[in-house]
Amino acid sequence: NAGVTQTPKFRVLKTGQSMTLLCAQDMNHEYMYWYRQDPGMGLRLIHYSVGEGTTAKGEVPDGYNVSRLKKQNFLLGLESAAPSQTSVYFCASRWMNTEAFFGQGTRLTVV
Amino acid sequence: GNSVTQMEGPVTLSEEAFLTINCTYTATGYPSLFWYVQYPGEGLQLLLKATKADDKGSNKGFEATYRKETTSFHLEKGSVQVSDSAVYFCALSPANTGNQFYFGTGTSLTVIP
Repeated sequence: NAGVTQTPKFRVLKTGQSMTLLCAQDMNHEYMYWYRQDPGMGLRLIHYSVGEGTTAKGEVPDGYNVSRLKKQNFLLGLESAAPSQTSVYFCASRWMNTEAFFGQGTRLTVV
Repeated sequence: GNSVTQMEGPVTLSEEAFLTINCTYTATGYPSLFWYVQYPGEGLQLLLKATKADDKGSNKGFEATYRKETTSFHLEKGSVQVSDSAVYFCALSPANTGNQFYFGTGTSLTVIP
């Protein structure tokens, strides 16, 4: 099994550009999450989903949108990138009250 | 509310030293507790877990015991190796709202030969 796969792994954007990060899991997990990781701040939850067609805001949702049209995919969109969105983004998935499985991360730089 | 408090780092130890990373939590009921490890440039990997009070999770020489009375889940290893250098995260999943997952801020460990 591939587990949780994030695409792309690296990206450089100019301020104001848009992009979509893709997270795909092959474990039939109901719950999926998007986090950002910044130095000294640990992991902060951006958005999450408890099932196909559902999304909810996390701790730091501003400037991001998400969609879960298929159970296995969770997309994170940046409509107008800002330098403050320079970060490492992690996707995770889990089944109910079990451990979460993480992707390898996407390193995004906004210049 | 639910939260995880982790000891701040960075922590630097000599090889074969004893490691303790403190983790305390706030939650209602009996959450599940986890330790994750992140090696440089990689995603988070589950290190160990415990799902009920007095459970001991263990893996790769690391251990942590779920202490309800002190709301703690401290990570320990008797003899660290250079390869244990990484960032360690404590996390919890509440008992009644299983969709959420709460992380501590992470503790960076460097082991020197």
